[in-house]
Amino acid sequence: LAKTTQPISMDSYEGQEVNITCSHNNIATNDYITWYQQFPSQGPRFIIQGYKTKVTNEVASLFIPADRKSSTLSLPRVSLSDTAVYYCLVGGGSNYQLIWGAGTKLIIKP
Amino acid sequence: NAGVTQTPKFQVLKTGQSMTLQCAQDMNHNSMYWYRQDPGMGLRLIYYSASEGTTDKGEVPNGYNVSRLNKREFSLRLESAAPSQTSVYFCASSQKAPPDTQYFGPGTRLTVL
Repeated sequence: LAKTTQPISMDSYEGQEVNITCSHNNIATNDYITWYQQFPSQGPRFIIQGYKTKVTNEVASLFIPADRKSSTLSLPRVSLSDTAVYYCLVGGGSNYQLIWGAGTKLIIKP
Repeated sequence: NAGVTQTPKFQVLKTGQSMTLQCAQDMNHNSMYWYRQDPGMGLRLIYYSASEGTTDKGEVPNGYNVSRLNKREFSLRLESAAPSQTSVYFCASSQKAPPDTQYFGPGTRLTVL
């Protein structure tokens, strides 16, 4: 099974770009990489998903190198409301095996 | 459209007691999930259901049973609660099988004394 590793915490300032990297050395060929955001006392919420190269939506970008052993979530111009825990999820390619990272607590300062 | 609802929000049990956590979704999703979330460990899948009448064990199924009553409802039962089952439990659903986007409920905070 793939194991996902992410930094425990990160700090940044409003207006900055924030990059959070997840390591998943044993990712299976068909596995996808998904990122979720979680606020206190709430369930996680989907941010973005990708398989390879770069994916962009209205809130984030996801960069996946060719070897797919890591991925980077990029949040452009963060605001105070982006303070949350961000989870990397690997799996779902050929079955329901889903491996979540331990989460990165992102704190945005004014 | 309530999305995914879970009951109860909070529960305190004594060791050995049993209880059922309820989950329902109104999005006509096929797949449903039960997770537990412990500090510093992210989410771990307890059980997964691809459709009504089908369930599969996840990463940490021991001590739990599930029932997919119909397309909307997926319940999690603790037959004999243990302190190690103290956790926050989340139910989620997705339209299709993984890795489809999952929609989460608000969680149930369970304490076993």
